[in-house]
Amino acid sequence: GESVGLHLPTLSVQEGDNSIINCAYSNSASDYFIWYKQESGKGPQFIIDIRSNMDKRQGQRVTVLLNKTVKHLSLQIAATQPGDSAVYFCAENVGPSGGYNKLIFGAGTRLAVHP
Amino acid sequence: DARVTQTPRDKVTEMGQEVTMRCQPILGHNTVFWYRQTMMQGLELLAYFRNRAPLDDSGMPKDRFSAEMPDATLATLKIQPSEPRDSAVYFCASGFSGIETQYFGPGTRLLVL
Repeated sequence: GESVGLHLPTLSVQEGDNSIINCAYSNSASDYFIWYKQESGKGPQFIIDIRSNMDKRQGQRVTVLLNKTVKHLSLQIAATQPGDSAVYFCAENVGPSGGYNKLIFGAGTRLAVHP
Repeated sequence: DARVTQTPRDKVTEMGQEVTMRCQPILGHNTVFWYRQTMMQGLELLAYFRNRAPLDDSGMPKDRFSAEMPDATLATLKIQPSEPRDSAVYFCASGFSGIETQYFGPGTRLLVL
């Protein structure tokens, strides 16, 4: 994993606004990406995924955008709610490594939603 | 609602003691991952099992850590002897081989004094 230091980058938004969380990935050969949400005291929870043959995928209130040219991934959350407050991780599948699909996790971004 | 379960949720122990963490993967999943999460290092992969066989434990300190799957419904991670630097949250995740999505358990928060 990447070193995150003592402080995660934080995105502060007002309730009801849209949030955009960004992630830069490292391996141009990665073919699958996942966003996870981790609430305090809980394990990472799967939110949405996207394959490299797509550039956009939508879920319920969430959209993931993939720009392979600049190796950038973003998660958009519409009408952000207090329950969206959490740390968000992107993960890339670097492909069969040692015989299995290994996920590499980003450092994480803390989303703070204010009423 | 199928989910990964982990026990214990919290563990406080003294340096030198043995610690055993347990994980029950989602029924039917054949891959199990052990991760360690700290503020400094983020999520680090410790070990990977497929069909109960350990395929990768390169992320694990071999001298004190061991991981096993006694059966398809139980994965264990053991630390002996434990050290203060092992303090972290340990997550288990499960999935299907060939499918990249991993589903995480709630974690075991370990504090070694």
